[in-house]
Amino acid sequence: EPEVTQTPSHQVTQMGQEVILRCVPISNHLYFYWYRQILGQKVEFLVSFYNNEISEKSEIFDDQFSVERPDGSNFTLKIRSTKLEDSAMYFCASSEGGRYQPQHFGDGTRLSIL
Amino acid sequence: AQSVAQPEDQVNVAEGNPLTVKCTYSVSGNPYLFWYVQYPNRGLQFLLKYITGDNLVKGSYGFEAEFNKSQTSFHLKKPSALVSDSALYFCAVRGDTGGFKTIFGAGTRLFVKA
Repeated sequence: EPEVTQTPSHQVTQMGQEVILRCVPISNHLYFYWYRQILGQKVEFLVSFYNNEISEKSEIFDDQFSVERPDGSNFTLKIRSTKLEDSAMYFCASSEGGRYQPQHFGDGTRLSIL
Repeated sequence: AQSVAQPEDQVNVAEGNPLTVKCTYSVSGNPYLFWYVQYPNRGLQFLLKYITGDNLVKGSYGFEAEFNKSQTSFHLKKPSALVSDSALYFCAVRGDTGGFKTIFGAGTRLFVKA
């Protein structure tokens, strides 16, 4: 069964540094998402992406965050200047399309800001 | 505004007994409702969804959920729990209008004792 893959599995970064989290969504999927989860708790929506542009973003997704689909397979989340409170598990997800379609999640990248 | 409530942080059940994990929601328009399960150090896995039609929906691993429009609830059920069902369960909602943002509940940890 096709999977969403995320790299790296764990990223440790100094506060103030830029970090890029990478995702390869399922190949025929059209909608892409980033979520974060702090300490195994609530899953928080960050952004959705369709047709090479952001379709919706949350209040968490401020100017420090950006997303990109640089080629036909990768989907990246960049945090420009990391803060301690950015420490979390970041999940990428994709769906075939349509708001009634379930999302398929990767296993996440654990981001630790020192 | 969309919201999801999972009133129980934790549910404990003996193996072989039925289980219920509760979820209530609030959304503009008609709801699209989902249940996901998360095992340790893994991403969320889709279990089942309600879009329209029969109020009782069946999903993976013997789970089912009952949609109740008047009570705005979508409780997850299983007739006979297994120890391997122990995990974190998330209810999620998306409206049939507006953006593609999915709102997740805070999660309910299920412990099944042998």
